[in-house]
Amino acid sequence: DGGITQSPKYLFRKEGQNVTLSCEQNLNHDAMYWYRQDPGQGLRLIYYSQIVNDFQKGDIAEGYSVSREKKESFPLTVTSAQKNPTAFYLCASSTSGSGADTQYFGPGTRLTVL
Amino acid sequence: AQSVTQPDIHITVSEGASLELRCNYSYGATPYLFWYVQSPGQGLQLLLKYFSGDTLVQGIKGFEAEFKRSQSSFNLRKPSVHWSDAAEYFCAVERDDKIIFGKGTRLHILP
Repeated sequence: DGGITQSPKYLFRKEGQNVTLSCEQNLNHDAMYWYRQDPGQGLRLIYYSQIVNDFQKGDIAEGYSVSREKKESFPLTVTSAQKNPTAFYLCASSTSGSGADTQYFGPGTRLTVL
Repeated sequence: AQSVTQPDIHITVSEGASLELRCNYSYGATPYLFWYVQSPGQGLQLLLKYFSGDTLVQGIKGFEAEFKRSQSSFNLRKPSVHWSDAAEYFCAVERDDKIIFGKGTRLHILP
């Protein structure tokens, strides 16, 4: 089945530790996105990538980093510089990165920093 | 700046009743507009989208939405809701090839 996988579903980390969230897609999509979701806040864009080896900051990139070495993969690292990292993180992909494209979402990773 | 407003945080309707979820956007031109649905603990799924043409858009799961330029609105409707429609619904607008999401409306269904 084609789709987007995110692992793990639940992740716990101690404060001050970096943590990497996985996102893989087999839809052959060029564009991939990371969003953060907090209760009552909707989704906010962290980073996005429209092509391999290129990515751009979204609205809340501080404290996060990404890489896009392969078309299928777009891992997100939550660094110790992120002041409030506990949240639900969603990865998405789309065909070309045009705003008209449908974005397809993974099931999400819930990160809890203790 | 482009923004999306969903004025209702929670809405409760009885199973079988009709539904309308409100969405207002602010943008100078005709935007690309979307409605997504999220079941608890899951990712989002596209219900429908509007780019141009017919202002009444049909989507999946029996949903439709109507674009009204004069009111800057893109409200989501369903004539008869099912218990499985209980979820959170997000209106969204395109800006500079990125999607701006509203804060969502959580729909509760009474049996």
